[in-house]
Amino acid sequence: QVQLQESGPGLVKPSETLSLTCTVSGGSISSYYWTWIRQPPGKELEWIGYIYYSGSTNYNPSLKSRVTISVDTSKNQFSLKLSSVTAADTAVYYCARISVTPRGYGMDVWGQGTTVTVSS
Amino acid sequence: EIVLTQSPGTLSLSPGERATLSCRASQSVSSSYLAWYQQRPGQAPRLLIYGASSRATGIPDRFSGSGSGTDFTLTISRLEPEDFAVYYCQQYGSSPWTFGQGTKVEI
Repeated sequence: QVQLQESGPGLVKPSETLSLTCTVSGGSISSYYWTWIRQPPGKELEWIGYIYYSGSTNYNPSLKSRVTISVDTSKNQFSLKLSSVTAADTAVYYCARISVTPRGYGMDVWGQGTTVTVSS
Repeated sequence: EIVLTQSPGTLSLSPGERATLSCRASQSVSSSYLAWYQQRPGQAPRLLIYGASSRATGIPDRFSGSGSGTDFTLTISRLEPEDFAVYYCQQYGSSPWTFGQGTKVEI
């Protein structure tokens, strides 16, 4: 079965760039949409953006100027970069797979999440 | 941006009881683009319902979704101990995709 695993630094300094990678195992990254979601401490979920395996992307306008999501099909990975971070970017970051069916969409496979703290 | 408002904020129930959770959208959402997730403490969310009413793989039939337009409902027919968690609705119909603020189902 498909599993996702986030990796990257748990501590990032203010004004620097947060970089995370999601590794897909047990299946191919091809033919799916992949997404990043974050959850600040004690708060609700926030969609960051998605990427199709071919490389097309869509970002949350609230983060668009600072976000880049990319895919490396040879490594079965996709990545998130968030620039100019502040304390407000402290959150648990999740990667997930988006299932698209005739009946609808759903994020059907999730990584366990990785905590990123922005602090000097 | 479509705002999803979930109610109630907290639902206090006992095992075996029925839970009814509401998700109201600020604009109409196509049923195909409404999903529900369960999140237990310290865990990632889990997809329960997609397309407003289709259960995801492996989800027990005590979970059901309904609704259309701006009003959607998640029903848990008989609460099991493992169902006490936070539930989120999410819409994919309009970018940015948005989540509700969550309903906590507690004992």
